[in-house]
Amino acid sequence: KAGVTQTPRYLIKTRGQQVTLSCSPISGHRSVSWYQQTPGQGLQFLFEYFSETQRNKGNFPGRFSGRQFSNSRSEMNVSTLELGDSALYLCASSQGQTGNTIYFGEGSWLTVV
Amino acid sequence: AQKITQTQPGMFVQEKEAVTLDCTYDTSDPSYGLFWYKQPSSGEMIFLIYQGSYDQQNATEGRYSLNFQKARKSANLVISASQLGDSAMYFCAMREDNFGNEKLTFGTGTRLTIIP
Repeated sequence: KAGVTQTPRYLIKTRGQQVTLSCSPISGHRSVSWYQQTPGQGLQFLFEYFSETQRNKGNFPGRFSGRQFSNSRSEMNVSTLELGDSALYLCASSQGQTGNTIYFGEGSWLTVV
Repeated sequence: AQKITQTQPGMFVQEKEAVTLDCTYDTSDPSYGLFWYKQPSSGEMIFLIYQGSYDQQNATEGRYSLNFQKARKSANLVISASQLGDSAMYFCAMREDNFGNEKLTFGTGTRLTIIP
C-alpha cells in the first residue's frame, strides 16, 4: 500500500514568487492536512481538507492557501514568498474519522532566497 | 488550549539499552488521541504508535510501547533494546477527538542519539 506522496521534495524560490506543493494521500484516505516545520516555530498546523472542503485552518496569513481535488489529492500554495517561508512542509493523511491514525509524507523542503 | 510538553531536548543512550522519552499533555477535552512520530534527518515523519484516551491498555507496536498515565497526563514512549537506526528526532503529538478535527498539536521534540 503506497504511503503519502509529496512533490517536489526540494525546491528553491526567490522572494516574491509563488510556489505550489502537491500531496497524494494514502488510497482511501479523505483527509489531508498540511504543516509547516521551522527550527524556530516547530511544527505548526496550516489547514485540513476533507472531501474537497476546508474543515480546519491554522493561524497563517492569507498568502497560504490550499485545495483538495475529488481524488483526495491536495495542493497548497504560498504566494508572494518571504524569507521566513523557508521550511519543511509536511502533508498528513487520514481517513478523517475520529480515532484514526494520521500518517505523514516525506515533506517538501522549501528554501526562499 | 491543548498543549504538549517534551522536557528532554536531547538524549544519549547506549545501544541495546531501553529508552524512555517523556511527554506530558494538557487538554480539557475528555476524548483525545496521543501520537508518537520519529523524524530522521531526511525529514519524513514516521508514525510509531497511537493511544486513545479511552483505551484501557497501553499501546504497543513492536519495540515501541506507550506508558499512558491518564491521571498524570503523561504519555511516555518506551523503546526497548535501542538500535543505531533509532537515532532521530521524536515528537509527541495530540489530537482532540472532536468530530471533524484532524489537527495535531506537537511538542518541541527530543533528539535521541544512540551510541555504539
